[in-house]
Amino acid sequence: DTEVTQTPKHLVMGMTNKKSLKCEQHMGHRAMYWYKQKAKKPPELMFVYSYEKLSINESVPSRFSPECPNSSLLNLHLHALQPEDSALYLCASSQVGVAYGYTFGSGTRLTVV
Amino acid sequence: KNEVEQSPQNLTAQEGEFITINCSYSVGISALHWLQQHPGGGIVSLFMLSSGKKKHGRLIATINIQEKHSSLHITASHPRDSAVYICAVMDSNYQLIWGAGTKLIIKP
Repeated sequence: DTEVTQTPKHLVMGMTNKKSLKCEQHMGHRAMYWYKQKAKKPPELMFVYSYEKLSINESVPSRFSPECPNSSLLNLHLHALQPEDSALYLCASSQVGVAYGYTFGSGTRLTVV
Repeated sequence: KNEVEQSPQNLTAQEGEFITINCSYSVGISALHWLQQHPGGGIVSLFMLSSGKKKHGRLIATINIQEKHSSLHITASHPRDSAVYICAVMDSNYQLIWGAGTKLIIKP
């Protein structure tokens, strides 16, 4: 298995809703990433997990809450989002600490209404 | 000045043309990535380079570490190559610094 699988592919949520994005990989990668991408912009790093521990939080608002329950799974819990949070959310994985390639998921297109 | 600069920003070409996209960077790197993103889609990693040249099918990527420059070439371009091509460098902390991307359109 050489894929990063993200679910759902599309999500529409209200500003009072709670939802979660899921990311899964079975390549034995021990680093996992959440990126946010607005239209026509490069991805912006949100969080990095290394060996299931949060190692980087790029000053992301607390309405985004990451979780890494095991080495294959990464979640992003969403609560009280704003319309400006609408974006493509990308998950990626890689080996830790060496210049290996990244594997990206196909993303979740989130719309906040 | 951005740490990773790509040129051109937009490129439109006819099917069959040879395509070159350039990337210059100003930071020390451990590797450089070329990535492809189709509209509304996820990102596909094309190449990771730390020196020299790599080839995969019709795609060729080169890097010159001394000049801090990389190029992505597409031979015999095809409309399905239409996408955004992104250069991203991996810094000494193994984090990616992204270029702004080059939007490529290949017309039949």
